[in-house]
Amino acid sequence: GQQVMQIPQYQHVQEGEDFTTYCNSSTTLSNIQWYKQRPGGHPVFLIQLVKSGEVKKQKRLTFQFGEAKKNSSLHITATQTTDVGTYFCAGTYNFNKFYFGSGTKLNVKP
Amino acid sequence: EPEVTQTPSHQVTQMGQEVILRCVPISNHLYFYWYRQILGQKVEFLVSFYNNEISEKSEIFDDQFSVERPDGSNFTLKIRSTKLEDSAMYFCASSEVGHTFGSGTRLTVV
Repeated sequence: GQQVMQIPQYQHVQEGEDFTTYCNSSTTLSNIQWYKQRPGGHPVFLIQLVKSGEVKKQKRLTFQFGEAKKNSSLHITATQTTDVGTYFCAGTYNFNKFYFGSGTKLNVKP
Repeated sequence: EPEVTQTPSHQVTQMGQEVILRCVPISNHLYFYWYRQILGQKVEFLVSFYNNEISEKSEIFDDQFSVERPDGSNFTLKIRSTKLEDSAMYFCASSEVGHTFGSGTRLTVV
């Protein structure tokens, strides 16, 4: 069935290092959203990507949507301890049902 | 900033009992969702609701589950005849662009 795969499952980095998480769908997505969930918290919306090849930046975060609208990535430059959490992508094919990736848990060592 | 409110924050119930989880979405949002997250796992879509009716539901959302918007503001998820495997965090979300999630209800079935 339709689903969104996300890798890696875990990433441990030293503060100041970069971090990237990747999501992939076997079929074309209508849009993809990214969320951050802190331990014990709820997912918080970061951004939505809609257009083929779209790139959006939020300070140290860069989000990309592939040309075929089947993959997406989130890159964090120079991680900080405040970046700790689990990052989820959520893709949709019809705007009614969202498929969340399994998440990448980021740990940042000071 | 507008919030999605969920009650109760914790619910412990005996196997076989019925539970009702409550949510107050953001008032001008049109799309409402229920998700569940088993501890340490990904966020799983249950159902979406638009224009006072279900717009999409997942394979998980079988006859054991139902949703209602009884009074135009509250949005409820009813789980009948609960099972041990229903233990999870249940999140309500409403959406204009990205999802705004509530803080969740932790359901424990014993």
